[in-house]
Amino acid sequence: DAGVIQSPRHEVTEMGQEVTLRCKPISGHDYLFWYRQTMMRGLELLIYFNNNVPIDDSGMPEDRFSAKMPNASFSTLKIQPSEPRDSAVYFCASSLSRLAGGLFYYGEQFFGPGTRLTVL
Amino acid sequence: KQEVTQIPAALSVPEGENLVLNCSFTDSAIYNLQWFRQDPGKGLTSLLLIQSSQREQTSGRLNASLDKSSGRSTLYIAASQPGDSATYLCAVYTSGTYKYIFGTGTRLKVLA
Repeated sequence: DAGVIQSPRHEVTEMGQEVTLRCKPISGHDYLFWYRQTMMRGLELLIYFNNNVPIDDSGMPEDRFSAKMPNASFSTLKIQPSEPRDSAVYFCASSLSRLAGGLFYYGEQFFGPGTRLTVL
Repeated sequence: KQEVTQIPAALSVPEGENLVLNCSFTDSAIYNLQWFRQDPGKGLTSLLLIQSSQREQTSGRLNASLDKSSGRSTLYIAASQPGDSATYLCAVYTSGTYKYIFGTGTRLKVLA
């Protein structure tokens, strides 16, 4: 498997423009996570999906941020309009949950390479 | 609210030394804990995952332990090498919230 794929790897845009980040999770994984990493705040969970359904978006900073997962192999994170304070590295991760011995296990997270976003 | 702390924030050791990285969490009701490595400008690479029912996991020179009752996990690196230089993060998957909460990381430098 190619792992989690993110595009673009780098994005430079001007304040006010719309930005769309893309993610392809590992095939068969049922959880997808979007994170943001900055020097000041570290790694923050923005939103996660289970079987394409958004479960918790409480980490999304503002209404300018939205995320979708139209199918099991694709997700987008959109920022509109973008602001300089949105500059960060955005990571997508996926994992596979499983049932074993009557217990439910949340699996190992696999991260994509990230998208470095710069908003001027 | 789950809080995850990693101490020390930075560590510099000579090559060959055995070392321990610490991860503390405030809510012991967790599903699992995962240790990651992040190289500068790169994504996160999973090192070890410990389920809440387990006490430790080993992979090569790495050994991670989990003590839920005390809210602690340690990552032991044996015979450190310059290639081990990276930032190490722990992440806790908390029951009820179904979220991974990350620590701020320990930046490790192994000197040749």
